[in-house]
Amino acid sequence: KQEVTQIPAALSVPEGENLVLNCSFTDSAIYNLQWFRQDPGKGLTSLLLIQSSQREQTSGRLNASLDKSSGRSTLYIAASQPGDSATYLCAVKPAAAGNKLTFGGGTRVLVKP
Amino acid sequence: DARVTQTPRHKVTEMGQEVTMRCQPILGHNTVFWYRQTMMQGLELLAYFRNRAPLDDSGMPKDRFSAEMPDATLATLKIQPSEPRDSAVYFCASGFGRETQYFGPGTRLLVL
Repeated sequence: KQEVTQIPAALSVPEGENLVLNCSFTDSAIYNLQWFRQDPGKGLTSLLLIQSSQREQTSGRLNASLDKSSGRSTLYIAASQPGDSATYLCAVKPAAAGNKLTFGGGTRVLVKP
Repeated sequence: DARVTQTPRHKVTEMGQEVTMRCQPILGHNTVFWYRQTMMQGLELLAYFRNRAPLDDSGMPKDRFSAEMPDATLATLKIQPSEPRDSAVYFCASGFGRETQYFGPGTRLLVL
């Protein structure tokens, strides 16, 4: 059974500092890995999706890496801003047929002005 | 701007009452998912549909929960009878094939 872990559960940084969020998963047989952002009281917004054959994806200040063999992904957010404050979740989809996403518990980020 | 919509956004009900949550997936998407989010369990998949057919409902308590797609523009999740432990945020998401899922804003349910 796939398990996804995100450590730390919460993180507080001053504005301008780079953010590093970690995600680990136990079963390396994945189809893709996705990073989501969730604001309080809102749904999830997809940030980046990395296919199992890819090593990284970039979008603006966001960069996500994937090391499938070691079961790890890292989300980097450069030059953090107060607007980056949110909960970030990673989720993996199995390589086997099906669409079931297994989510990590999330990292709650606070960027202080 | 295509979005997944969910109604109601908030629901407070008493134990034993029936609760129906509705979701309108993004037009053209062929997969629909129901998730539940709680502080203790995080996000859990309850059920998902492809081309309106249920493919996996193993995460759903079968005795009280049911999920249907009467047509391609409507998915429903029903709880009957509701219990306090069902209090959570219920999210619907839609997608196409095995690619990105787009989430709705959620229904916040409180069962007293």
